[in-house]
Formats: sequence, structure tokens, C-alpha cells
Amino acid sequence: GENVEQHPSTLSVQEGDSAVIKCTYSDSASNYFPWYKQELGKRPQLIIDIRSNVGEKKDQRIAVTLNKTAKHFSLHITETQPEDSAVYFCAASLRLPPWALGTSYGKLTFGQGTILTVHP
Amino acid sequence: EAGVTQFPSHSVIEKGQTVTLRCDPISGHDNLYWYRRVMGKEIKFLLHFVKESKQDESGMPNNRFLAERTGGTYSTLKVQPAELEDSGVYFCASSQDQGTQYFGPGTRLLVL
Repeated sequence: GENVEQHPSTLSVQEGDSAVIKCTYSDSASNYFPWYKQELGKRPQLIIDIRSNVGEKKDQRIAVTLNKTAKHFSLHITETQPEDSAVYFCAASLRLPPWALGTSYGKLTFGQGTILTVHP
Repeated sequence: EAGVTQFPSHSVIEKGQTVTLRCDPISGHDNLYWYRRVMGKEIKFLLHFVKESKQDESGMPNNRFLAERTGGTYSTLKVQPAELEDSGVYFCASSQDQGTQYFGPGTRLLVL
């Protein structure tokens, strides 16, 4: 089955600096890679995602890059703010077209999480 | 639109007891997933419902765990009998088709 490794486990930056979190996956069939942010005591929330037919995606201060050949993807946060402090999870998943739905699709395989702390 | 809700938010039980967790997905979402995060480790998949059918239960740890989704609406996850290693946060998520999975706030289970 799929295995996702995430690094670093903790990351501490100064406000305004950039933060990068990296993930690798094992199953070349995975084609959907979401990133979730979980603030203390709250539910995980999707912040950005990327599909395997795209190499990079950006949304304001957040960007994700994907290298299918190397099977790794990264989250980049620029101009970090204290409210970016949270646990970030990467995940990998297989999405299938409706005509090919089999016994296992859609489930997310998560990385171990990165605790990001942004110091004012 | 209401998000995914879970009940209870916290549960503390003795080893050997039974606990039932409930998840109400976003209305209209056929896909419902259960996940668990144990002691600061990664969030791990337990099972996936499509409507009332179990599409994938490969992540269920053992036969002490029973999930149901009668009628294809809310789902329950029962742990019987509970063991110490079952402690953790149980998340439910729902999605429309294979779209974004929206997570509930989780149920924090502590088995003493």
C-alpha cells in the first residue's frame, strides 16, 4: 500500500520568513495530493491540493510543487504570519474515473505531520 | 451549510467497556470516511462508505471495531471491548463524489 513520509516533524521560523515542508510517497499510482492544516483543537482543513497532471499550484502565499518522477511534493509558505502556526499534514490518494471505480479509492494516506511555529 | 459533525467530542472509558462514536456527514455527501490519529502520529485511514455500503475497510485494526451507515446518512463506529491502544482522536470526513474531503472536529477517546 501507499506510504507517505513527511519532513521536518517540527519547523520554527520568524514571522516573514518562508517555510517549506516536504513529503515523499511510494505508490506511483497516487494522483491526488492534498495538504491539510490543523490548528490547535480544531478540525483538519484543506488548504491546497494538486493533481498529478500539474507540476505546481499557487494560492496567494501558499504553493505546492509536485515531482512525479521522484515521487515527492512540497508545501511552500511565504511571508509567514503567526496565524500560520499549526500542524500541517500532507496526503496522497488515488482518484479514479467513474467507469473504473474499484475496491480501493479515495482514501487519504497521510504523512506524520509538521508542527509549524511562526514567532512574531 | 453545516459541516461534518461528530459526537461525542470527548469520551473517557475503562478498558473493556464499549463506546459508540457518531458522525453526521455534510448533507448529500455519499462518501464517508473514518480516520484515527493515535498519540501524535499520522492520521490513519480506517474505512470508507459509499452511501450505506462499505467500499473499503482495509484500515480497520481488528474485529473489535464495527462501523455502520444504515440508510446512507450518519455513521457510527463502535469499539467493543475497548483496549488501551484504542485511545486517540477519531475523525470522520465526507466528500461528494471524489471531491475534497471535509473533516469533522474529531472525537477524543481515552481508554483507561
